Amino acid sequence: AQSVTQPDIHITVSEGASLELRCNYSYGATPYLFWYVQSPGQGLQLLLKYFSGDTLVQGIKGFEAEFKRSQSSFNLRKPSVHWSDAAEYFCAVGGGEGGGNKLTFGTGTQLKVEL
Amino acid sequence: DTGVSQDPRHKITKRGQNVTFRCDPISEHNRLYWYRQTLGQGPEFLTYFQNEAQLEKSRLLSDRFSAERPKGSFSTLEIQRTEQGDSAMYLCASSLAGGPRKYFGPGTRLTVT
Repeated sequence: AQSVTQPDIHITVSEGASLELRCNYSYGATPYLFWYVQSPGQGLQLLLKYFSGDTLVQGIKGFEAEFKRSQSSFNLRKPSVHWSDAAEYFCAVGGGEGGGNKLTFGTGTQLKVEL
Repeated sequence: DTGVSQDPRHKITKRGQNVTFRCDPISEHNRLYWYRQTLGQGPEFLTYFQNEAQLEKSRLLSDRFSAERPKGSFSTLEIQRTEQGDSAMYLCASSLAGGPRKYFGPGTRLTVT
């Protein structure tokens, strides 16, 4: 069965500091991996996705993530955090035809940005 | 592209009542998904449709839950005899068949008192 672990429930960073959110997955085949962001009262917004090819993927809002098969990880990074990045971040893994018929999400990481 | 819409955005109901939620996907999307998100957790898959056919249901979807997509456009999720444990955010998403990207709606927050 597929699963996702986000070990950090809460993270606080200062504005302008770098950010790394951890994600480990379990999946029987080549995974399709996603990062979503959720702000209060908003739906889930896709930040970036990995299906194949270059293991470093770029997303929106200056985010990037690196797929490391040997570590079963797909960590999200941003070199300089802005106050508007405060939100909850979810890593997800999906499989099957189309790369995501059934997404399995982690429990999320709540990001707080200190000014 | 007007996005995925859900109605209502909030619903408060008493235990034992029935509730129905509606989801309108992006118009050209033939796949529609329902997820449930409880406090402090990530979304959990409930079910999905391709056009009007319900192709997969999670074990989370008890007999009190039913979902329909009668004309392959909007979908409804009904919960009968609600329980306090049903309190959650119910999220709808849509996509093109074979397309990996899902577009999520803002969700319906259900509170069962």
